[in-house]
Amino acid sequence: GAVVSQHPSWVICKSGTSVKIECRSLDFQATTMFWYRQFPKQSLMLMATSNEGSKATYEQGVEKDKFLINHASLTLSTLTVTSAHPEDSSFYICSAKSTGRTEAFFGQGTRLTVV
Amino acid sequence: AQSVTQLDSQVPVFEEAPVELRCNYSSSVSVYLFWYVQYPNQGLQLLLKYLSGSTLVKGINGFEAEFNKSQTSFHLRKPSVHISDTAEYFCAVSDPGGGNKLTFGTGTQLKVEL
Repeated sequence: GAVVSQHPSWVICKSGTSVKIECRSLDFQATTMFWYRQFPKQSLMLMATSNEGSKATYEQGVEKDKFLINHASLTLSTLTVTSAHPEDSSFYICSAKSTGRTEAFFGQGTRLTVV
Repeated sequence: AQSVTQLDSQVPVFEEAPVELRCNYSSSVSVYLFWYVQYPNQGLQLLLKYLSGSTLVKGINGFEAEFNKSQTSFHLRKPSVHISDTAEYFCAVSDPGGGNKLTFGTGTQLKVEL
């Protein structure tokens, strides 16, 4: 199966700083990538969808200026949490799919803790 | 708009017993249906999917699910569970014509006990 690698797997940052999370497709071209957020013992909530080379489409209620998404290549998308606050602490998961595929493959997630 | 309902937040079961995790969905269009498993602090792994064709879908680790259009259900079953099946299970739907964005249910925690 296709492999999606997410880095880092966990990160602790100070309130007010920014943190970048990378999502890489290792053995396929990811034309579309999805970013999700998961609170403890809750489901995954889609934050945004990004297509390679174009601006991300954010879901309602997600601040695009706070959660910057870049999908500059067919194998890499990044999520930058800007001016992080404790309420941004969460588990962030990316998934990636290629054109014509019905299935998206998930990264292993990033645990962000803002202190 | 689509939605997914997983009525059981937790399902305890003894090892080697059968289990069924329930999933119901609502959608005004035809959908693709998925079951994912999540182990603690990890991403999601696809168990199985229904796109079209046979309503009984077999997946990895001995799991299977049956698509029932009239009942808008896609319940997950395993005839004999193992301790290693203890995990969170998510049912999800996507709209084939909507960019394949997934809508997830709230998840079911399967706890297998000795």
